[in-house]
Amino acid sequence: GENVEQHPSTLSVQEGDSAVIKCTYSDSASNYFPWYKQELGKRPQLIIDIRSNVGEKKDQRIAVTLNKTAKHFSLHITETQPEDSAVYFCAANSGTYKYIFGTGTRLKVLA
Amino acid sequence: DAGVIQSPRHEVTEMGQEVTLRCKPISGHNSLFWYRQTMMRGLELLIYFNNNVPIDDSGMPEDRFSAKMPNASFSTLKIQPSEPRDSAVYFCASSFGQGNQPQHFGDGTRLSIL
Repeated sequence: GENVEQHPSTLSVQEGDSAVIKCTYSDSASNYFPWYKQELGKRPQLIIDIRSNVGEKKDQRIAVTLNKTAKHFSLHITETQPEDSAVYFCAANSGTYKYIFGTGTRLKVLA
Repeated sequence: DAGVIQSPRHEVTEMGQEVTLRCKPISGHNSLFWYRQTMMRGLELLIYFNNNVPIDDSGMPEDRFSAKMPNASFSTLKIQPSEPRDSAVYFCASSFGQGNQPQHFGDGTRLSIL
């Protein structure tokens, strides 16, 4: 079946440094790639998304890049802050309605 | 904007009891998704509806699980009988349109089966 691989599973960075999380998808028909942030005990919240007709999208300290040929997409967080500590999930749409989620990356920003 | 509303937020019950989880999607959204989240298995899609019709229930683990969406503003996920391995956080999410639109999650129901 279709799947999304996400790496790394855990990531620790010093405050102020950048963090990069990478995902690979298998469904060549996927054309929408959202990223979710989930803080401990909370719901997943959409932080940024990208569509297949765009190669990069930025929103303040967060950016996402997409390489359709390689079926890779990545989340970049610059100038990390302690409040960025959370689990991040990538996803790719598959079929008409659903997403396939990655397994998550636990990001720790060390003060 | 009230967001996706789930109830109850927490449920603790004994093995064998029936459990009913409830979800109210965002007004105007026509797709609804039920997910289960555990440390071991991550975020699993159980079932999803479009225009109140179940589209794919292949993620439902067993016949003990059932879901309904009687109207555009309400859905239930039922477990009968419940077992300890059903303990997890159950999320409901909704979206407008098809899979290339954002899904918005509710706050979840933390279910503990003793």
